[in-house]
Amino acid sequence: ETGVTQSPTHLIKTRGQQVTLRCSSQSGHNTVSWYQQALGQGPQFIFQYYREEENGRGNFPPRFSGLQFPNYSSELNVNALELDDSALYLCASSLGAEPHYNEQFFGPGTRLTVL
Amino acid sequence: AQSVTQLGSHVSVSEGALVLLRCNYSSSVPPYLFWYVQYPNQGLQLLLKYTSAATLVKGINGFEAEFKKSETSFHLTKPSAHMSDAAEYFCAVIRRNQFYFGTGTSLTVIP
Repeated sequence: ETGVTQSPTHLIKTRGQQVTLRCSSQSGHNTVSWYQQALGQGPQFIFQYYREEENGRGNFPPRFSGLQFPNYSSELNVNALELDDSALYLCASSLGAEPHYNEQFFGPGTRLTVL
Repeated sequence: AQSVTQLGSHVSVSEGALVLLRCNYSSSVPPYLFWYVQYPNQGLQLLLKYTSAATLVKGINGFEAEFKKSETSFHLTKPSAHMSDAAEYFCAVIRRNQFYFGTGTSLTVIP
């Protein structure tokens, strides 16, 4: 069984650019959640996708957007990059949307550096 | 509003010593509490979770945590530290159907 994978591993961008991060969910999982983990901080919830629909969003501006595909893989897009967007971006997949009952399995993350 | 507070951003213990990592939660949050571990260059892994079934929760790798409502605490313990326990540990709660993580505690194990 393949776990959650993310690509790329590392990425360097400049302010104002756009970036797309990718996540392949664990086999059989229909829910993907995205988190931003700044250096020295805990992960912060960005949004969740359940069966291709956004199903909850944290306190992030609209320039953070996402997609989930029919195979339940997902993308995180960030437009107009700012220096503060530099962080580790984690994706987690689960069997269902309800976090109380469905364990989230995390990928290793994508390290984004904005210069 | 802060939902969980982790006291001590860095904790050092000797190999074989007791590990105690502290987490306090806001009293308004529902009682779904979690501990996650993050090894270098890896994602988070669930250690254990409290869902109101039992106040003492046993997790993987010999870790356990006790839910104490009177102290609004959910501290993580392990009787004897191993070198492999060196990692970042996060306490988390679910509020409004989403996770809120603490700022993390980095555990160093001294040989």
